[in-house]
Amino acid sequence: GAGVSQSPSNKVTEKGKDVELRCDPISGHTALYWYRQSLGQGLEFLIYFQGNSAPDKSGLPSDRFSAERTGGSVSTLTIQRTQQEDSAVYLCASTTGPGPYEQYFGPGTRLTVT
Amino acid sequence: AQKVTQAQTEISVVEKEDVTLDCVYETRDTTYYLFWYKQPPSGELVFLIRRNSFDEQNEISGRYSWNFQKSTSSFNFTITASQVVDSAVYFCALREETSGSRLTFGEGTQLTVNP
Repeated sequence: GAGVSQSPSNKVTEKGKDVELRCDPISGHTALYWYRQSLGQGLEFLIYFQGNSAPDKSGLPSDRFSAERTGGSVSTLTIQRTQQEDSAVYLCASTTGPGPYEQYFGPGTRLTVT
Repeated sequence: AQKVTQAQTEISVVEKEDVTLDCVYETRDTTYYLFWYKQPPSGELVFLIRRNSFDEQNEISGRYSWNFQKSTSSFNFTITASQVVDSAVYFCALREETSGSRLTFGEGTQLTVNP
């Protein structure tokens, strides 16, 4: 079946602009995660959704970052007033539920802020 | 706080050599889960294995094997008879029962297998 998909695959934006990153989880997966991978910080957790609720958003680095999930499926990560330090690969993962199941990752969105 | 350390930043071997990737973790939880992921040059993280803290049995899957030792808080990964296709970044990750569903990743080990 289809895996986790993310769009766009690459995004170049000017500093100060807003961006939206999209994640389509595996069908039927109720849990969804966003991570960020950057050279200096490695792989960092950002936010976790169970259904449409986000019980853990403690990894969001600032209030410029927000995320939502609708219909228990697609999720959007929004970064407002982008900064150069936001440049990274943003990875989305999904699992069948809130338990300690393996997380299936998407290919990521490479964000470059110029 | 949980922490995962992969001390080897880069490893380079010649094809057919055996190679071990080290992973050391820190946690105060008694229930936790350890994972290994592979990130090939294409970039997509691929799940390899999950172990829970109550199961210290070593596991073998083809050329891959994992050694989990609670006494040393280590979960090492060995590739036997390495192949060029094994070249990738390998991440060890920890999920604590009390820290929700997040994974805490190590910094990763870049493995290069040369022909």
